[in-house]
Amino acid sequence: TQLLEQSPQFLSIQEGENLTVYCNSSSVFSSLQWYRQEPGEGPVLLVTVVTGGEVKKLKRLTFQFGDARKDSSLHITAAQPGDTGLYLCAGALSSGTYKYIFGTGTRLKVLA
Amino acid sequence: EPEVTQTPSHQVTQMGQEVILRCVPISNHLYFYWYRQILGQKVEFLVSFYNNEISEKSEIFDDQFSVERPDGSNFTLKIRSTKLEDSAMYFCASRRGGGVNGYTFGSGTRLTVV
Repeated sequence: TQLLEQSPQFLSIQEGENLTVYCNSSSVFSSLQWYRQEPGEGPVLLVTVVTGGEVKKLKRLTFQFGDARKDSSLHITAAQPGDTGLYLCAGALSSGTYKYIFGTGTRLKVLA
Repeated sequence: EPEVTQTPSHQVTQMGQEVILRCVPISNHLYFYWYRQILGQKVEFLVSFYNNEISEKSEIFDDQFSVERPDGSNFTLKIRSTKLEDSAMYFCASRRGGGVNGYTFGSGTRLTVV
């Protein structure tokens, strides 16, 4: 069974702080996505990375795909209460069907 | 912005009953998926569907499950005889093709089996 481990599982920080969330696996992924999920809602896609070493930025969020395409990180600069949510990484093992294996999730709470 | 629409948002059913969960993927998308998320657990892949046939399924997707695209717009997941452990959020997703861009999830159907 392929596993994507995310760390930390829970994170509570003050507004304005920086944070990094990690997503690790022993498997190589053809692509990796980061999602944010609100309670009772479906995951909302934030970014897709496909090339080893790739870095993408989305406003205050910086995503990096590991050189070996086994891991990824999400860095948030100057976190705001609106960043609160469950962050999920998901990796595609096959470039054919693009089924995604989801990580265990990081629940972030940003306090005002 | 185009959306994947799922109905109903919440369904309660008796154990042993059949349920059909409905999804309307984005109109020009060609690849369709079902995932589920048991409360407090990971999102899990169930099945992928392309060109009117299943292209991949997980071990969760046993004979009790089936999928269908009965017309040009709907994509359904049927559970023939529901069990208590089928209680979960079920998410439909679709993508156009030519890569992973545009992979879009619906808001889910919460299925409660009593």
